[in-house]
Amino acid sequence: AQSVTQPDIHITVSEGASLELRCNYSYGATPYLFWYVQSPGQGLQLLLKYFSGDTLVQGIKGFEAEFKRSQSSFNLRKPSVHWSDAAEYFCAVGIETLTTSGTYKYIFGTGTRLKVLA
Amino acid sequence: GAVVSQHPSWVICKSGTSVKIECRSLDFQATTMFWYRQFPKQSLMLMATSNEGSKATYEQGVEKDKFLINHASLTLSTLTVTSAHPEDSSFYICSASGRGGGDTQYFGPGTRLTVL
Repeated sequence: AQSVTQPDIHITVSEGASLELRCNYSYGATPYLFWYVQSPGQGLQLLLKYFSGDTLVQGIKGFEAEFKRSQSSFNLRKPSVHWSDAAEYFCAVGIETLTTSGTYKYIFGTGTRLKVLA
Repeated sequence: GAVVSQHPSWVICKSGTSVKIECRSLDFQATTMFWYRQFPKQSLMLMATSNEGSKATYEQGVEKDKFLINHASLTLSTLTVTSAHPEDSSFYICSASGRGGGDTQYFGPGTRLTVL
């Protein structure tokens, strides 16, 4: 069965420190992979996505993620965290629906809540 | 670009009443819309997928008669929670994908439903 695992429920880092959020997926085919951020009172915002090609993907707000097929991972990184990065981060895998070709539904991980210390 | 809105942002209703939530894609045509439910401090659970002009496809365990979904146009989908009960209280989020958006889903801000 398809699944997404985010092993870390909470992560706390100091402002200016580097960050890595882990994501592992289980899916039989080539996955479409996404990272979203959810801030209180706001909708999920797309940080970056991987469909194919270069396995190192650059996103918004200075984030990047690397797709490693051998490890079934798509970890999110940022070299220097800002206080405004405190939020909930979700990894998702897109799988093609059985009913409509070309339509992809998402399976989300359980999320990682990031706290940033001043 | 790719903005999705939801209305209302929050709603409180009495047990037994029905509540309608609207989801609109503001600047692109959403051929597919999705409805999710998010419990406090938990992940998003997909409830159903709807394509414009077609019946929605519900995920296993989601009651079709409880959660009515209509996707009548390329910019509007509605979720109606019928005969709501306190256990239906949750955060409901819609997303949309389609022409101009590719396979990426763009999410609305969510609707907080509280059933008394």
